[in-house]
Amino acid sequence: NAGVTQTPKFRVLKTGQSMTLLCAQDMNHEYMYWYRQDPGMGLRLIHYSVGEGTTAKGEVPDGYNVSRLKKQNFLLGLESAAPSQTSVYFCASSYRLLGSQGYEQYFGPGTRLTVT
Amino acid sequence: QKEVEQDPGPLSVPEGAIVSLNCTYSNSAFQYFMWYRQYSRKGPELLMYTYSSGNKEDGRFTAQVDKSSKYISLFIRDSQPSDSATYLCAMSAWGDSNYQLIWGAGTKLIIKP
Repeated sequence: NAGVTQTPKFRVLKTGQSMTLLCAQDMNHEYMYWYRQDPGMGLRLIHYSVGEGTTAKGEVPDGYNVSRLKKQNFLLGLESAAPSQTSVYFCASSYRLLGSQGYEQYFGPGTRLTVT
Repeated sequence: QKEVEQDPGPLSVPEGAIVSLNCTYSNSAFQYFMWYRQYSRKGPELLMYTYSSGNKEDGRFTAQVDKSSKYISLFIRDSQPSDSATYLCAMSAWGDSNYQLIWGAGTKLIIKP
């Protein structure tokens, strides 16, 4: 099991450029998430998906779009990058904990994005 | 005011010390409480999980929930340099959206050899 993988690991963009971050999971999880992590801000939810073909906005969705065409993949797009989008982006997937109503989230290694 | 408050630290302690990490929260509907550990330049990973109130122990780690005070703690006994990381608390409520976690900002812990 590779778990949750993210591509690319690092990227530098110029303001106004576009890019897509790819997240893949091989655990057959229904739920997937995109977060950004900035110093002192913790993890902030950008978008999430509760299943193939469905997406929803999180806490900070502006400037980002997502798609979940296949259950195992969750794509995050930046149409016109801005310096404020410089951050570390984490993808996660989750499943229900055994014998519980709670969910554990598994995280990928992150993508470090710098927008100049 | 954030739903979950966590002191960002850094918290620096000598090796072998007992460490106490804490979060406070405002939403009384939270039922599931988690501690994640994040090493530098890595993704967070689940360390411990508790449901409702009470204590849970796993080796050197103890998670404690006090719902009456809306306060959760993670204790680390006999701390090791390898425990140096950022510790994030996370919680969720009972109900249809319990797959969404509400996160604290994380506390950076440094264990000095």
